[in-house]
Amino acid sequence: GQSLEQPSEVTAVEGAIVQINCTYQTSGFYGLSWYQQHDGGAPTFLSYNALDGLEETGRFSSFLSRSDSYGYLLLQELQMKDSASYFCAAIPSNTGKLIFGQGTTLQVKP
Amino acid sequence: DAGVIQSPRHEVTEMGQEVTLRCKPISGHNSLFWYRQTMMRGLELLIYFNNNVPIDDSGMPEDRFSAKMPNASFSTLKIQPSEPRDSAVYFCASSDSGTRSGQPQHFGDGTRLSIL
Repeated sequence: GQSLEQPSEVTAVEGAIVQINCTYQTSGFYGLSWYQQHDGGAPTFLSYNALDGLEETGRFSSFLSRSDSYGYLLLQELQMKDSASYFCAAIPSNTGKLIFGQGTTLQVKP
Repeated sequence: DAGVIQSPRHEVTEMGQEVTLRCKPISGHNSLFWYRQTMMRGLELLIYFNNNVPIDDSGMPEDRFSAKMPNASFSTLKIQPSEPRDSAVYFCASSDSGTRSGQPQHFGDGTRLSIL
């Protein structure tokens, strides 16, 4: 089958760095995306990795390693407003349909 | 610029009733997606359209669900008859490319549907 695995919860303190991992089981896909969703809100796009390596966007970075079937989202200088759920998503090449991981709930504490 | 607009924001109705959810995608976007989100099943793609044509509806749970996109600026998701297990948040999203690129999907605020 095709699935994306993420930790269900992560807790960190304000100002710290946190890494949210995503491992996947799919034979081929068109890259890995990350979305943020605040409680009661809509998912919003954060980043996309088409190729292996690191993509940086401000305080957020995303990494992909196809050989390891692994990616992660790195959040630096955590702020209280970063408390949200974070989803990795991928498009398997044999379906063309975006699939989401179950999401990681990040709680940032003072 | 206006984002994806969904209506209604909340819907509470009794089982057996017909429910129609509406979506206006971002102008110029040629792909539209309907998702359902529940605690148990997470975020699931129900159906997506490309240039107003349904491309893949394999995620539609049952024949009770149907979706249309009569033009580039409007889509509906209909449930008839509705059942309590259909209670969820339904999101519409649009993007300016097909599903095979990294172009972001822009989500509406969702419709919170409760079937009593």
